Amino acid sequence: GNSVTQMEGPVTLSEEAFLTINCTYTATGYPSLFWYVQYPGEGLQLLLKATKADDKGSNKGFEATYRKETTSFHLEKGSVQVSDSAVYFCFVGSGGSNYKLTFGKGTLLTVNP
Amino acid sequence: DAGVIQSPRHEVTEMGQEVTLRCKPISGHNSLFWYRQTMMRGLELLIYFNNNVPIDDSGMPEDRFSAKMPNASFSTLKIQPSEPRDSAVYFCASTRGTLIQYFGAGTRLSVL
Repeated sequence: GNSVTQMEGPVTLSEEAFLTINCTYTATGYPSLFWYVQYPGEGLQLLLKATKADDKGSNKGFEATYRKETTSFHLEKGSVQVSDSAVYFCFVGSGGSNYKLTFGKGTLLTVNP
Repeated sequence: DAGVIQSPRHEVTEMGQEVTLRCKPISGHNSLFWYRQTMMRGLELLIYFNNNVPIDDSGMPEDRFSAKMPNASFSTLKIQPSEPRDSAVYFCASTRGTLIQYFGAGTRLSVL
């Protein structure tokens, strides 16, 4: 089955610092890759996605590139804000009517002013 | 459009009691997922439905857990009898033919 290995947290940064959260995966076939974000007390929401090799997903200043050769999908942001403090989940998914879905364990990010 | 609606938001119960968690997916979505989130194990997929039919329940931890989807707009996750180790946040998510899932706000369950 699929598996996701995500950088363990917590990660603590100062405002305007550069962020990288590593994610690698194992999967058969051609999965789609996602990053979800969970703010305190809320459910997960989609941050960005990539559906094929070399695709770059981007949203709210965050980026991640689907690297099939290294089976990675690292999340980056050039300048974090206090409002980015949340838990970030890497997610690998495939299938139409028969889903194979795997989340990473999540990385807690705290951004200090 | 309303998002995925879960109830209750918080549930506190005593060991041995029956617990029922409820979920209303987004209208028009035909797949529904139940997840459990704990600090130790992260986010685990318990079961998912396509067109109201359970497809994969391999993540359901044991027979004490059961899930139903009687129609396209309602699903329940039941734990009977509940145990303290069932304490977690339970999420419901839905989608329509894609891998992009829309999550509810979750139910925080505490079993004393």
